[in-house]
Amino acid sequence: AQKITQTQPGMFVQEKEAVTLDCTYDTSDQSYGLFWYKQPSSGEMIFLIYQGSYDEQNATEGRYSLNFQKARKSANLVISASQLGDSAMYFCAMRVFQGAQKLVFGQGTRLTINP
Amino acid sequence: DAGITQSPRHKVTETGTPVTLRCHQTENHRYMYWYRQDPGHGLRLIHYSYGVKDTDKGEVSDGYSVSRSKTEDFLLTLESATSSQTSVYFCATGNVRLAWYEQYFGPGTRLTVT
Repeated sequence: AQKITQTQPGMFVQEKEAVTLDCTYDTSDQSYGLFWYKQPSSGEMIFLIYQGSYDEQNATEGRYSLNFQKARKSANLVISASQLGDSAMYFCAMRVFQGAQKLVFGQGTRLTINP
Repeated sequence: DAGITQSPRHKVTETGTPVTLRCHQTENHRYMYWYRQDPGHGLRLIHYSYGVKDTDKGEVSDGYSVSRSKTEDFLLTLESATSSQTSVYFCATGNVRLAWYEQYFGPGTRLTVT
């Protein structure tokens, strides 16, 4: 069964430090994709970054990078130089194909950036 | 941003009443989804659509039905609302481009069933 596990319910980090949010996944599919979304306190879901299973290089988007370790089935999000505005809930998700494209979500990690 | 709007954004209703939530997209994306978000559960898929009039159940579909008569609109109906359906409901659209798949979310609807 496809599953996403985020083992950190909450994290507290000092401003300007780098942050790594953990995500492990379980799938027997060869083709899949991994997403990270940010949900601030206002509630909207903001797409951050995507990694395809066949992508050889780690995805990067500005201060966000995805540390993709296929053999370990991990897809950790790295935020460099954290800012107060990074405080939010972060969700890891996996794209699967089960008759249609779908996303399976982890339970999320609440990140708090301290000044 | 896939131009996704949801209506209403907030609703309070009584147990036993039917409720319909609407999702509208402007990007002509093929896939549309309804999720619910509850504390401790992340986002759970209720129903999804892979084309006009093509819909299927997700993991928490009991008590919900959907319809998609046009590419841009996806309706979620709670046939007889219960307190356990108090939640935040998100609509999303998905689009496949070559090896890339993108999924974007609407702003959410907060539903309270009293």
